[in-house]
Amino acid sequence: DAGITQSPRHKVTETGTPVTLRCHQTENHRYMYWYRQDPGHGLRLIHYSYGVKDTDKGEVSDGYSVSRSKTEDFLLTLESATSSQTSVYFCAISPGTGEGSEAFFGQGTRLTVV
Amino acid sequence: AQSVAQPEDQVNVAEGNPLTVKCTYSVSGNPYLFWYVQYPNRGLQFLLKYITGDNLVKGSYGFEAEFNKSQTSFHLKKPSALVSDSALYFCAVRDIAGRGSTLGRLYFGRGTQLTVWP
Repeated sequence: DAGITQSPRHKVTETGTPVTLRCHQTENHRYMYWYRQDPGHGLRLIHYSYGVKDTDKGEVSDGYSVSRSKTEDFLLTLESATSSQTSVYFCAISPGTGEGSEAFFGQGTRLTVV
Repeated sequence: AQSVAQPEDQVNVAEGNPLTVKCTYSVSGNPYLFWYVQYPNRGLQFLLKYITGDNLVKGSYGFEAEFNKSQTSFHLKKPSALVSDSALYFCAVRDIAGRGSTLGRLYFGRGTQLTVWP
């Protein structure tokens, strides 16, 4: 498996509280992504990063922010958690876009907002 | 805009029979296409990719995929299905025609649940 670690793996939190999910990589890959997976929707891109301090929004970015202060860490923050953010969150990494570099995925974080 | 469609939510096949999981795409320019598999409570695993060259691409676990430019399709196939192939399969396309920050984005289909029965 590619060196990707997501933490925590499971979390239950209350509505209105901030939550931060961490993605840590040991591959020195340039691109990092945060997706959420929900039944009937597949994987939807929340935010991604194309370098240190370089991030951009995906298709479902409302209510989420990210930070990447160093190559190996990409943090996803739910500023004020809502029940609609109950989901499984996946981090992915990719070395670049040349030769169709594939993305490698972490094991996921199951977040429940009650 | 780039997009991927997986027209079937579920595919059921008997063990030993050939299987096909369908994928169509829409991109600007030439596509980079991928297939991933997800087993229960796991992350996505890379199966195979098409970049350029032969239209038939071979990947892990005996899977292959056929790229058809005229039909904008990239169907996943396997000659003889196994019960252990039962999983959720995702097709994805990479944005290589974008500029700046959009370059490198991956777009996924909704996934197809493959069930292979004994």
